[in-house]
Order: sequence, then structure tokens, then C-alpha cells
Amino acid sequence: AQSVTQPDIHITVSEGASLELRCNYSYGATPYLFWYVQSPGQGLQLLLKYFSGDTLVQGIKGFEAEFKRSQSSFNLRKPSVHWSDAAEYFCAVAPRGGGYNKLIFGAGTRLAVHP
Amino acid sequence: DTAVSQTPKYLVTQMGNDKSIKCEQNLGHDTMYWYKQDSKKFLKIMFSYNNKELIINETVPNRFSPKSPDKAHLNLHINSLELGDSAVYFCASSGDFAIQYFGAGTRLSVL
Repeated sequence: AQSVTQPDIHITVSEGASLELRCNYSYGATPYLFWYVQSPGQGLQLLLKYFSGDTLVQGIKGFEAEFKRSQSSFNLRKPSVHWSDAAEYFCAVAPRGGGYNKLIFGAGTRLAVHP
Repeated sequence: DTAVSQTPKYLVTQMGNDKSIKCEQNLGHDTMYWYKQDSKKFLKIMFSYNNKELIINETVPNRFSPKSPDKAHLNLHINSLELGDSAVYFCASSGDFAIQYFGAGTRLSVL
């Protein structure tokens, strides 16, 4: 069955520290991969996506993610976290092909940032 | 100018009532979606419409009925509301690519 696993429910980092949020997926073929961020009381904003090509993708707000086919992973990273990065982060996958398809989300990782 | 807008933002109602949530997108996208986010923040798709046609219908009670009067609008009507319907409902839209753009959500509380 198709699934997305985010092993860390809650992560706390200090401001200025580096961050890595883990995401593993189970899918028949390599899907499209996404990271979304949800700030408190807000909708979801796309941080970055991987469709094909370079396996290291850059996103907004200084985030990047690396696709590793051998590990079925798409981990999100940021070299230096800011207090405003505190939010819920969701990894998601969608099947390739077609302009419409359902996103399958992981359970999310809540990031807290200490000053 | 909000790309995907939902109304209302908050909805508090009694069990057994019928309510609607509206969604509009001004991105020119052909496809729109409804997702439900439960109290544990888990997001799951409910429905999707492409050019006013229903294309995704997950296992959702038939008390939930989506309606798409045109490709820029997708409304969600819920009959006989139950306590378990309390959640945040998100509308989204997508164009030629698989990127979905989300609204700010509607927090539904059933008392």
C-alpha cells in the first residue's frame, strides 16, 4: 500500500542550529515528492518538490531536500533554523503523470525552535 | 488577492445540522480537491473534481456531498453533522502539474 512515514512526530532545535526532517515513502514507482509547511492556524504552503533530475532540490525559505531512491527517502534540511520556522511540516507523494491526483501525506513533524 | 479562498474560516454548529463550506480559486486551475485534517493533524483526501467532473471519491460517508458549479468553485455540503466530523477542511487546486495550492482551511466544530 502507498504510504508516507515521517518518523519524528516532534523535533525541537535551537535557533541557528541545523535541521533535518525525515521522510520515507512506500510506493510502486518513484512518485512526485513534496514538502509542505503549515504554520499555526494557516493553510499548507509548498516548500519544494521533486519531479525528476537533480536529486538535491532547493525550495523557499532556505530549505532543501534530497531524494534518495535507494532509501525511498526525501529528507528536508535547513542549515540554520530561524524562530519563524516553527511549524508543522508535511511530506507528501503523488503518482506520476496527469495533472490531477491525490496527495498522500505523512503524519507531519512539529518543529519547535528555542531562542 | 488570495489564490484559493474558503469560507467560512470557522464553523461551529450542533449535531444533526446541515452546513456548507465554499471554496473558490482564481488560479485558472482545472482541478480542485477537498482534504480533511483530523485532530492529530493527519491529512486525507476526500474528493477531487476536474472540470466540474468528480474524479476522486475516497471512502467518505454519503452525508458529504461536493458540488462544483464551475471549475473555479468547489463546495462541500455536509448533512446531519456528527461529532466525528469536527476537523479542519482544506480546499486545494492544481493545474497542469501535480502541485496543489491550498486554502487557509475551515475549522468545523460540531457540538
